[in-house]
Amino acid sequence: NAGVTQTPKFQVLKTGQSMTLQCAQDMNHEYMSWYRQDPGMGLRLIHYSVGAGITDQGEVPNGYNVSRSTTEDFPLRLLSAAPSQTSVYFCASARTFNYGYTFGSGTRLTVV
Amino acid sequence: KNEVEQSPQNLTAQEGEFITINCSYSVGISALHWLQQHPGGGIVSLFMLSSGKKKHGRLIATINIQEKHSSLHITASHPRDSAVYICAVHSGGGADGLTFGKGTHLIIQP
Repeated sequence: NAGVTQTPKFQVLKTGQSMTLQCAQDMNHEYMSWYRQDPGMGLRLIHYSVGAGITDQGEVPNGYNVSRSTTEDFPLRLLSAAPSQTSVYFCASARTFNYGYTFGSGTRLTVV
Repeated sequence: KNEVEQSPQNLTAQEGEFITINCSYSVGISALHWLQQHPGGGIVSLFMLSSGKKKHGRLIATINIQEKHSSLHITASHPRDSAVYICAVHSGGGADGLTFGKGTHLIIQP
C-alpha cells in the first residue's frame, strides 16, 4: 500500500518553462489537494478536488492548473514557471475533506 | 478566513520533559488536525479531533471548542520527537481544505 506518491522529489526549472507535478494515491480517497510550503508561512492550498471530474481553486491558484480524470491521480501543472513559484509542494488525500489526511513526501521546486 | 496561531514558534527542551504546544484559531471549526513534519520534510497526520481529547502513545491532543484552542502534549519527550508540529483547522462545511499554522519547531536534546 503506497499511500500518496509524488514525483519528482526535486526539480529545477527555468523561468517560462512548464511542467507537471504528479500525485497518485491508492487508497480510493475521494478528496485530493495540493499545497505549497514557503519559509515563514503555513502551507497554503492551491487547488483541490472532491472527486473525479471535480476540481476547485484554493487560496493561491494563479499560475497552476489541475485536472482529476481518475480517482487515483491529481496532477498539478505549472503553465509558465516563475521564480515566485519556487517552493515545496505537497499533495494530500483523504476519504473526504473532513477525514484525516495522508500527505505525499513533497516536491522541492526551484525556478531560476 | 480563519487565523491560526501557534505558540511557541520554537521550543528546545531536554529529553524526558513534558512538552506543550498550543494552537488557537479565530473562527469556529468543524475539525482540527495536528501534523508532524520531520527534518526530511515528510508530513504525517497525528490527530484529527473536533471535541475532547485523543491519545496515541506519548502524544495527547486536546481541544476546547468554546475557547477556540487546542494543545498538543508530548510526555517523556525523546530526541526522535524533534520535528515541526503543525496545527491545521477545517472551517465550516466547505471542502476548501485546511488553514495551517506556521508550525512549532521542537528540538529535544539528549
